[in-house]
Amino acid sequence: DVKVTQSSRYLVKRTGEKVFLECVQDMDHENMFWYRQDPGLGLRLIYFSYDVKMKEKGDIPEGYSVSREKKERFSLILESASTNQTSMYLCASSPPGNTEAFFGQGTRLTVV
Amino acid sequence: GNSVTQMEGPVTLSEEAFLTINCTYTATGYPSLFWYVQYPGEGLQLLLKATKADDKGSNKGFEATYRKETTSFHLEKGSVQVSDSAVYFCALSWGSSASKIIFGSGTRLSIRP
Repeated sequence: DVKVTQSSRYLVKRTGEKVFLECVQDMDHENMFWYRQDPGLGLRLIYFSYDVKMKEKGDIPEGYSVSREKKERFSLILESASTNQTSMYLCASSPPGNTEAFFGQGTRLTVV
Repeated sequence: GNSVTQMEGPVTLSEEAFLTINCTYTATGYPSLFWYVQYPGEGLQLLLKATKADDKGSNKGFEATYRKETTSFHLEKGSVQVSDSAVYFCALSWGSSASKIIFGSGTRLSIRP
């Protein structure tokens, strides 16, 4: 089975902190994604990576950056956390082609 | 750009009722279409998919048909159970190798015993 592992289930950070959310997949997938999930808004794509060191902005990249130094690991970085970034963050991976993504369990981030 | 529009919830039904959750999309080219489900306290998991026009995806009694002429992928189930209570997301994927996946806003379904 594909496994996508997010480093934390719950995080509480202070406004202005630099926050790292880590995601690792074990199926050698080329594509990896970061989404945030908010009630009534569904999943919104923050960033997408289709190869090591390659990335594309999604629909809501402002306030976020990403890093993909190894194929299996995709990190989401909040340079200076703000309260409006309190959300559930979901990482996913997929092989190339129009096929489904596999999701991690999510990280619920609270910024206070 | 590409987008997915999904029926707003919440939807509340009695057990054994017929379910339809509407999903329409806007996309260029030949996207693949998906329904994902999120049970309470769990992560997102794929429910069913269809990769070309007129394909029907099915799983756990749920079905959806890829209708290119109406750009729709409505989710249906003939007789829902309490255990179907969850949030359902419609999604589409495009791109030959570097494939993006985008989602609708989700529909919360509650089934009364």
